[in-house]
Amino acid sequence: KAGVTQTPRYLIKTRGQQVTLSCSPISGHRSVSWYQQTPGQGLQFLFEYFSETQRNKGNFPGRFSGRQFSNSRSEMNVSTLELGDSALYLCASSYPIDPDTNYGYTFGSGTRLTVV
Amino acid sequence: GENVEQHPSTLSVQEGDSAVIKCTYSDSASNYFPWYKQELGKRPQLIIDIRSNVGEKKDQRIAVTLNKTAKHFSLHITETQPEDSAVYFCAASRGNTGFQKLVFGTGTRLLVSP
Repeated sequence: KAGVTQTPRYLIKTRGQQVTLSCSPISGHRSVSWYQQTPGQGLQFLFEYFSETQRNKGNFPGRFSGRQFSNSRSEMNVSTLELGDSALYLCASSYPIDPDTNYGYTFGSGTRLTVV
Repeated sequence: GENVEQHPSTLSVQEGDSAVIKCTYSDSASNYFPWYKQELGKRPQLIIDIRSNVGEKKDQRIAVTLNKTAKHFSLHITETQPEDSAVYFCAASRGNTGFQKLVFGTGTRLLVSP
């Protein structure tokens, strides 16, 4: 069974540019969440999607956005990149049979974004 | 807002010793508490989790305890081995609102020396 696949693995962008990251969850998983990991701030929640709907959003500026497609694949976009956006962006999928029950995430390997 | 505090930030033990990592959460509605292990350059991996209707859970050398009254939970690793060296994250989540957001602690770097 394939794991969570994130592409690309590495990205270098210039300030002011925009970037799109992709995440393919484990087959059958309908919930996809995105996290930003930095040495200083740890793992910070960005947003969560379930059946193409954003169910929750973290405390990030509107430059950070995302979406989920009908096949559960998800993308996140960051516009007008800033140096502080340099981080490891992790996608995680889970299979909530019951929407009110949490199940453990399976994380992807992440996309390391460097903004110069 | 929700907050999870994790201690210690670093922990050094000798091989064979036990290691304990403690977390405190602020949201009394939290009912799901997973622990993740992240080795250098790798993705976080779920190692054990516990729900609020259970006080303790064990899986071989690892165990987690939960004190709902005090709002804290702990990870216990016995007979530590060098391959246990990694960063460990605790997290808390509420499951009754239909979303999967986890609030993570800041991580504990565990170093097991041979």
